[in-house]
Amino acid sequence: DIVMTQSPATLSVSPGETVTLSCRASQAIRADVAWYKQRPGQAPRLLVYAASSNVMGIPARFRGSGSGSDFTLTITSLQSDDFAVYFCQQYNRWPLTFGGGTKVEIK
Amino acid sequence: EVQLLESGGGLVQPGGSLRLSCAASGFAFVNDGMSWVRQSPGKGLEWVAFISGRGDRTNYADSVKGRFTISKDNFKYTVDLQMSSLRADDTAVYYCAKTYDYVSGGYSDAWGQGTLVTVSS
Repeated sequence: DIVMTQSPATLSVSPGETVTLSCRASQAIRADVAWYKQRPGQAPRLLVYAASSNVMGIPARFRGSGSGSDFTLTITSLQSDDFAVYFCQQYNRWPLTFGGGTKVEIK
Repeated sequence: EVQLLESGGGLVQPGGSLRLSCAASGFAFVNDGMSWVRQSPGKGLEWVAFISGRGDRTNYADSVKGRFTISKDNFKYTVDLQMSSLRADDTAVYYCAKTYDYVSGGYSDAWGQGTLVTVSS
């Protein structure tokens, strides 16, 4: 199975700052990566697919990048609604696997 | 607007069975794959099962293979997850998710609100 490793586990930042979340795959997966955001008590929400394509309605402040085995999600000008847990997921091959998540919390 | 509504969760004893159902609306159901993804309390996401749009392909996580069965009714717009031989580590919120099907995998662009399954004596 492809293991997705996210780092760091937690990021403490202030509103208005920029954060960069990392996701590393245990083997090369082209750009077959999606990023999700999950707020407490809510279902995950798709933000980015194909490593760098934003879902319609997701602001450009969310920027995904990477290919092969290293991927990042950068969020600029953090707003209150952005404080959440972010998961990466690979869909290069079955079984689909998720990273353990990065929690972005208010400093 | 895409809507997914799960039902069927609850408390079940170890070794028991439970059937989850997800009612879909707002999209061309026959064209889209569907997945079940679960999340144990306070933990991350674990993909459980996938079924293709026409229902002719399925994939399962090793942790549930042989115990869970996913099915799709393209007339009723529902996708079910039949779970048997349940164990304590199957305790989780189970999400139904609309999943793009790239044959080798897919990502989920719409999710239900989840239904809680608790396996305990």
